[in-house]
Amino acid sequence: EVQLVESGGGLVRPGGSRRLSCATSGFTLSEHYMDWVRQAPGKGLEWVGRIRNKANDDITEYAASVKGRFTISRDDSRNSVYLQMNSLKSEDTAVYYCARSGYCSSGSCFEGLDYWGQGTLVTVSS
Amino acid sequence: DIQLTQSPSFLSASVGDRLTITCRASQYISSYLAWYQHKPGKAPKLLIYSASTLQSGVPSRFSGSGSGTEFTLTISSLQPEDFATYYCQQLNRYSPTFGGGTKVEIK
Repeated sequence: EVQLVESGGGLVRPGGSRRLSCATSGFTLSEHYMDWVRQAPGKGLEWVGRIRNKANDDITEYAASVKGRFTISRDDSRNSVYLQMNSLKSEDTAVYYCARSGYCSSGSCFEGLDYWGQGTLVTVSS
Repeated sequence: DIQLTQSPSFLSASVGDRLTITCRASQYISSYLAWYQHKPGKAPKLLIYSASTLQSGVPSRFSGSGSGTEFTLTISSLQPEDFATYYCQQLNRYSPTFGGGTKVEIK
């Protein structure tokens, strides 16, 4: 059974940092691109970023709203994906989900995000 | 970035109703579109990808159509468990954005 479990959420001061983890099981992580998606309170889903698999050089891509502040990494040996968030702002307050991309090839993904975690809440407030 | 506009943003419906949600892209995206269902406190669920391919395990009352810039999600007969928010997502190579969502509530 495919499972994704996020952890690391909590209360952070503006300007602070936080690292989220996504522990995966039930599939071969190294074969998949992995995404992070967030949902701010009362708002819709917002794509945050993606990391490709090792066969595609672990290339990362980010939404403009987080580029330069957030970094996605992966450790396939630990079956985990990470989201390092720096210079946090109040508008980064959200539930953060990790999600697995379906079939991808050469940077393009064609089958949507087929498995998601339950999410972890990050609150940025003084 | 490619913008996705969903309509309506809110829908009040009854069990058994046929529902259609529209998603319009600001640029041509071929058939690179997915639809998700999201309930409060739950993980979003993939319903359809490639605009019209039903994800494994999703009931056949859900269907998707369209290509280019206009897409639709149809629920043929609304069931109690279908009351949720629905999102489209364009699967463009860069910055795969979501639509604003359509909340389906019980009339």
